[in-house]
Amino acid sequence: DSGVTQTPKHLITATGQRVTLRCSPRSGDLSVYWYQQSLDQGLQFLIQYYNGEERAKGNILERFSAQQFPDLHSELNLSSLELGDSALYFCASSLDVAGEEKNIQYFGAGTRLSVL
Amino acid sequence: DAKTTQPPSMDCAEGRAANLPCNHSTISGNEYVYWYRQIHSQGPQYIIHGLKNNETNEMASLIITEDRKSSTLILPHATLRDTAVYYCIVTRGSWGKLQFGAGTQVVVTP
Repeated sequence: DSGVTQTPKHLITATGQRVTLRCSPRSGDLSVYWYQQSLDQGLQFLIQYYNGEERAKGNILERFSAQQFPDLHSELNLSSLELGDSALYFCASSLDVAGEEKNIQYFGAGTRLSVL
Repeated sequence: DAKTTQPPSMDCAEGRAANLPCNHSTISGNEYVYWYRQIHSQGPQYIIHGLKNNETNEMASLIITEDRKSSTLILPHATLRDTAVYYCIVTRGSWGKLQFGAGTQVVVTP
């Protein structure tokens, strides 16, 4: 158990719909990362939040957005869903203390999204 | 971050050592080598990391060549539970995304 909790585990929805994926990081971790894993693209970084602020962005679509709340949990919102958004979505957390050499990210079990 | 090259797949017999190579010829002086693995659609799991010295922990050993252009992850006694995709990632230390490539699919056979 990594200590990172993602809900729901599975999500089935229709094209055009909007969904919210939730992530609770490990206790004390300040950074949350979101990754997407599809069959043809592999694991792709989407976005990072650090202590409530957006830190870095990857190839995240404009239809997708995320936020990190004061209690450090994070939500990934996916809207106007398309068939190609079907994928595994992973959240990871890390401590990310300034000056610390380690960049160990702890991953949740993922949310499997199926868009029909 | 430097690009890495790994073989797409390798087999290993249970109980034997598995040696997983990774090339990272463009690595910079301040970049670390990290290894993660992903067991069939589970979340990736951290294994080990290093800068220039060899490292060992309870899961594996990491051997980095003197010129740092390549490294080898060693699973000393592979078990069936070690069947997974292994990712070699080069990144700077404290911050930032992990850039996953295609990794090496390791199959441990009885």
